[in-house]
Amino acid sequence: NAGVTQTPKFQVLKTGQSMTLQCAQDMNHEYMSWYRQDPGMGLRLIHYSVGAGITDQGEVPNGYNVSRSTTEDFPLRLLSAAPSQTSVYFCASSYGSRAAEAFFGQGTRLTVV
Amino acid sequence: GENVEQHPSTLSVQEGDSAVIKCTYSDSASNYFPWYKQELGKGPQLIIDIRSNVGEKKDQRIAVTLNKTAKHFSLHITETQPEDSAVYFCAATSGYALNFGKGTSLLVTP
Repeated sequence: NAGVTQTPKFQVLKTGQSMTLQCAQDMNHEYMSWYRQDPGMGLRLIHYSVGAGITDQGEVPNGYNVSRSTTEDFPLRLLSAAPSQTSVYFCASSYGSRAAEAFFGQGTRLTVV
Repeated sequence: GENVEQHPSTLSVQEGDSAVIKCTYSDSASNYFPWYKQELGKGPQLIIDIRSNVGEKKDQRIAVTLNKTAKHFSLHITETQPEDSAVYFCAATSGYALNFGKGTSLLVTP
């Protein structure tokens, strides 16, 4: 099992550019989520999905879009990148039940210049 | 929403000593409290978790305690080793989304 796979690992964007961070899991998990990690801020929830076709906002959703067309994939789209979106992004997945272990990907380090 | 506070932000111990990290939470509905370890350049990985119907859980050198009345839970690492050096996060939730503390950077010196 590959677990949770994120691509790319590193990315540099110019202000105003758009891009999609990819996340795929092969564990048949219903729940998937995106976090951003900034120094001294811990991990903050951006968006999450409890199943295909269902998404919802987390703590810091502005500037990001998500969709969940399949169980396996949960891409995160930056519509118009801003320097404030420079961060490390983590995708996570867990079993369908509430309060279950979350499995994290290796992260995408994004720099917006 | 849930607010999780974590202390200390940095902790330095000598190899063989114990390390304790403490977290408090605000939402009395929270019923699941995991601890994650993050090594440099990697994603967080679950090391131990506890649910609200249990007061203490132990796994070899790692233990977690939960005080629901006081809304706090703690991670205890005994006989620390250099490979325990990492950032540790506590989290709390009553549903799907994990609410994380800001992390503790643990350094174990030989």
